[in-house]
Amino acid sequence: EAGVTQFPSHSVIEKGQTVTLRCDPISGHDNLYWYRRVMGKEIKFLLHFVKESKQDESGMPNNRFLAERTGGTYSTLKVQPAELEDSGVYFCASSQDPISNEQFFGPGTRLTVL
Amino acid sequence: DAKTTQPPSMDCAEGRAANLPCNHSTISGNEYVYWYRQIHSQGPQYIIHGLKNNETNEMASLIITEDRKSSTLILPHATLRDTAVYYCIASPYGGGNKLVFGAGTILRVKS
Repeated sequence: EAGVTQFPSHSVIEKGQTVTLRCDPISGHDNLYWYRRVMGKEIKFLLHFVKESKQDESGMPNNRFLAERTGGTYSTLKVQPAELEDSGVYFCASSQDPISNEQFFGPGTRLTVL
Repeated sequence: DAKTTQPPSMDCAEGRAANLPCNHSTISGNEYVYWYRQIHSQGPQYIIHGLKNNETNEMASLIITEDRKSSTLILPHATLRDTAVYYCIASPYGGGNKLVFGAGTILRVKS
């Protein structure tokens, strides 16, 4: 069974540009999460989808970040316009077990904003 | 979510048991203790979770004190591949809850 995949693995953009990150969860997983680690900081939650609905977006830093999950399958996270402080590693995770909270993480996308 | 406290780093000899402690003195009754780890350049990986009873799976054992204020993750026979950052997280049970990561413990397994 394929795990959570993320694309691209690395992205280098200039300040002010737009970047879109993609996450493909494990097939059949209704829950999809985005997290990120910025330089020197801890991994922080961004938002949570249940199917195509945003269940919790309390961790989204500002309105430059837009997440979508059309059709309840893959998700995209767009940063527009990107700022220097957005540099970091963005992780996606998915889960399905309604009892446990075991989340399966992707390898992450390393974003560098110059 | 309850705050957890872990030592910043630990060393362990290869083949020996690695015992990683975690304090969660403010844990509430509906919060479980989860352990994840992050091996360099990979995404976090689930290890084990528990409420109040000791738990064991193919990766590790989890010992939770009776008052639930602390726990210990045990890797029975640590290998070099177990070198990683280990996170102890207190989170409400049930699917769909966000994970709140702290700084974790850097475990270095040495030959």
